Amino acid sequence: LAKTTQPISMDSYEGQEVNITCSHNNIATNDYITWYQQFPSQGPRFIIQGYKTKVTNEVASLFIPADRKSSTLSLPRVSLSDTAVYYCLVKNSGNTPLVFGKGTRLSVIA
Amino acid sequence: GAVVSQHPSWVICKSGTSVKIECRSLDFQATTMFWYRQFPKQSLMLMATSNEGSKATYEQGVEKDKFLINHASLTLSTLTVTSAHPEDSSFYICGLEGRVNGYTFGSGTRLTVV
Repeated sequence: LAKTTQPISMDSYEGQEVNITCSHNNIATNDYITWYQQFPSQGPRFIIQGYKTKVTNEVASLFIPADRKSSTLSLPRVSLSDTAVYYCLVKNSGNTPLVFGKGTRLSVIA
Repeated sequence: GAVVSQHPSWVICKSGTSVKIECRSLDFQATTMFWYRQFPKQSLMLMATSNEGSKATYEQGVEKDKFLINHASLTLSTLTVTSAHPEDSSFYICGLEGRVNGYTFGSGTRLTVV
């Protein structure tokens, strides 16, 4: 499994765009990149997933460069309710478990 | 994605007793479910993979006789913490891989052993 590295914590003011970058230098050809959000005392919640280039949904965008050795989760105009831990994971297809790294603790300040 | 229901959301038990946690897939037949444990301010740690109709696969360092997993149907997996001790107090989370949008997780169970 490719190991991921992401900042331990980040702070942001409300209304700003937040970009969290994740390194996954050993990503394999069959791997895809997925991001989860976790609030205290809750299970992780899926945010976005991608293989290459750019993916956008109603809550976030995911930017993946051509070499796929890193990815950036972009949260537009964060609010206080976006304060959470964000996990970047690399996973191949197949029914195998997700292995979580330390995640990035995002604190949004008013 | 799949809908996962986990019960109870919290439980307090006396040291030495056993506690059962249920994880139900409400709209998806899950042949495989995963159990995680999370201590405060730490990440999720995979405990075991639960396989329908067969024995669970435990991660290194997880005692299979202490954390009994039963996956008797395609919609239900249970984790029983046997002879619980205060050090077993933690947040337990189940998850499964659905058809779309990757993995879905239960809301977690906060276990406190006193």
